[in-house]
Amino acid sequence: DQQVKQNSPSLSVQEGRISILNCDYTNSMFDYFLWYKKYPAEGPTFLISISSIKDKNEDGRFTVFLNKSAKHLSLHIVPSQPGDSAVYFCAASGGNKLVFGAGTILRVKS
Amino acid sequence: DTAVSQTPKYLVTQMGNDKSIKCEQNLGHDTMYWYKQDSKKFLKIMFSYNNKELIINETVPNRFSPKSPDKAHLNLHINSLELGDSAVYFCASSQDLLAGTYNEQFFGPGTRLTVL
Repeated sequence: DQQVKQNSPSLSVQEGRISILNCDYTNSMFDYFLWYKKYPAEGPTFLISISSIKDKNEDGRFTVFLNKSAKHLSLHIVPSQPGDSAVYFCAASGGNKLVFGAGTILRVKS
Repeated sequence: DTAVSQTPKYLVTQMGNDKSIKCEQNLGHDTMYWYKQDSKKFLKIMFSYNNKELIINETVPNRFSPKSPDKAHLNLHINSLELGDSAVYFCASSQDLLAGTYNEQFFGPGTRLTVL
């Protein structure tokens, strides 16, 4: 019973184009959502987050969109750069713990 | 200047052995966590401690025992290791308990445990 799902195991994008990573959740009690980025042999690092009272949060090239009615969020990276190639984890919180998705591998081709 | 460190980075051992993974954070955070990333790549929380007190204890076999000698350290002891314990274990810390705004979790580099 995975409460946070990232249905695309991988995504390949050309440098300079937009990357869109998707995440779905099932628990309507989640009120805070985060994206983490992970390089090989390293731990995940925080990227961007959004509260359930908002529908969009932007930080430089990264924007997270939240659609509460659809229980869906997405991460947009514009423009994509080769250094963005990593695993991206979606996470959700309804209290004192985070529930993570399985991650999406993003490859940005130069 | 590592924020969250774990040792060892790799651990290969035989079934039935007892092993420990150490975690230290120098961020002055009150809360520390252990996560397990299994073969399906999900990161699942195992334990969290706040100021040395156990807060979260997910459905984890009691062969796994966390120990927090002080709030900067959270070690994970595993007894009678089984094949299914093979995974990457991540330690993390955050300023306080609530997983919300301005309380992001900082992760260590992970410990890859292989049980033969």
